[in-house]
Amino acid sequence: AQSVTQLGSHVSVSEGALVLLRCNYSSSVPPYLFWYVQYPNQGLQLLLKYTSAATLVKGINGFEAEFKKSETSFHLTKPSAHMSDAAEYFCAVSGKNRDDKIIFGKGTRLHILP
Amino acid sequence: ETGVTQSPTHLIKTRGQQVTLRCSSQSGHNTVSWYQQALGQGPQFIFQYYREEENGRGNFPPRFSGLQFPNYSSELNVNALELDDSALYLCASSFGTGGMIDYGYTFGSGTRLTVV
Repeated sequence: AQSVTQLGSHVSVSEGALVLLRCNYSSSVPPYLFWYVQYPNQGLQLLLKYTSAATLVKGINGFEAEFKKSETSFHLTKPSAHMSDAAEYFCAVSGKNRDDKIIFGKGTRLHILP
Repeated sequence: ETGVTQSPTHLIKTRGQQVTLRCSSQSGHNTVSWYQQALGQGPQFIFQYYREEENGRGNFPPRFSGLQFPNYSSELNVNALELDDSALYLCASSFGTGGMIDYGYTFGSGTRLTVV
């Protein structure tokens, strides 16, 4: 079974500062890992995904995440925060078998301070 | 290509009633997954339909049931509604399942269900 733990239900950063959202995963097999973003009253939008190619994954809107097997982590970063980045971010994991489903973490709400 | 559309966007029901939520999958997708997102929580997997057959179910009681049609659209039915069923219900479509796909889940904007 797979699971993810997101550290910090709320994170606040100043506009222009580094964004770091933490995610640790648990999986008995090499996982697929994802980051999704959810804006108010909307569904989830895929930011990026790790599927066992390069360990540093670049996504949309300037976000990237690094898969670290030794730390079982998949933290999301962005060098410079923008006001439009304020949203809920979800880390998710899946196995690679046909019957595996995407399992989400509880989410981290990112606040951008002017 | 069209995305995933869900209807209705908002719904208020009384405890004990039944509700049907609808999802039109993205063009070319043959798999639909349903998730429940309670306030302040991450989405919880309810079940998935692949080519009109249920392909996995999460920890939800039998009063949560679903259906997928030949055009791959889907319905989520909930009987005997309880107050705790109040949540955002998200539908996601994809082509294929699990390790078979290049992992593109396209999510709809959800249906906000309030049970009073």
